[in-house]
Amino acid sequence: DAGVTQSPTHLIKTRGQQVTLRCSPKSGHDTVSWYQQALGQGPQFIFQYYEEEERQRGNFPDRFSGHQFPNYSSELNVNALLLGDSALYLCASSSFLAGEYEQYFGPGTRLTVT
Amino acid sequence: RKEVEQDPGPFNVPEGATVAFNCTYSNSASQSFFWYRQDCRKEPKLLMSVYSSGNEDGRFTAQLNRASQYISLLIRDSKLSDSATYLCVVTGGYNKLIFGAGTRLAVHP
Repeated sequence: DAGVTQSPTHLIKTRGQQVTLRCSPKSGHDTVSWYQQALGQGPQFIFQYYEEEERQRGNFPDRFSGHQFPNYSSELNVNALLLGDSALYLCASSSFLAGEYEQYFGPGTRLTVT
Repeated sequence: RKEVEQDPGPFNVPEGATVAFNCTYSNSASQSFFWYRQDCRKEPKLLMSVYSSGNEDGRFTAQLNRASQYISLLIRDSKLSDSATYLCVVTGGYNKLIFGAGTRLAVHP
């Protein structure tokens, strides 16, 4: 049973560029949440997707957007990259319908903006 | 004020020591509480849930005081493999996780 997978593992981008990160949830999970973890900090909630809609959003600008597909996989898009967007981006999945609220994290995508 | 506050450490302890981590949270409406463990450059992993009655899992004991909005984690008989960052976590709406900045633990021989 595959856990949460994320791609790519690492990414280097230049300021002003756009990036797309991908996440496949654990089998049987229907909810995907994205978190940003800057160096030395705890993960910060970006947004959560359920039934292909953004259900809740953290304190992040509109440059951060996402999508959930019918197979429950998800993408995180960041436009107009800033140096401060350099971080580990974590995807977590859970099952709202099954009432399983434990969130399982993927290994993350490490984004470096130069 | 941060929603979840932890002592950043680092805590440097010898093998076999007992170490305690504390955490406070600001939202009295938080429903669920956890400790996660994060190894260097890895994803966070759930260590244990925290209940008002207190709960124990082997060498680990977690406690919640809702009145004081205070969460603790006690690690007994520390092992080298316990070296990691311990993240205090509370839930917000729709089960979003609100993390503290983490407490670093280094266990030395």
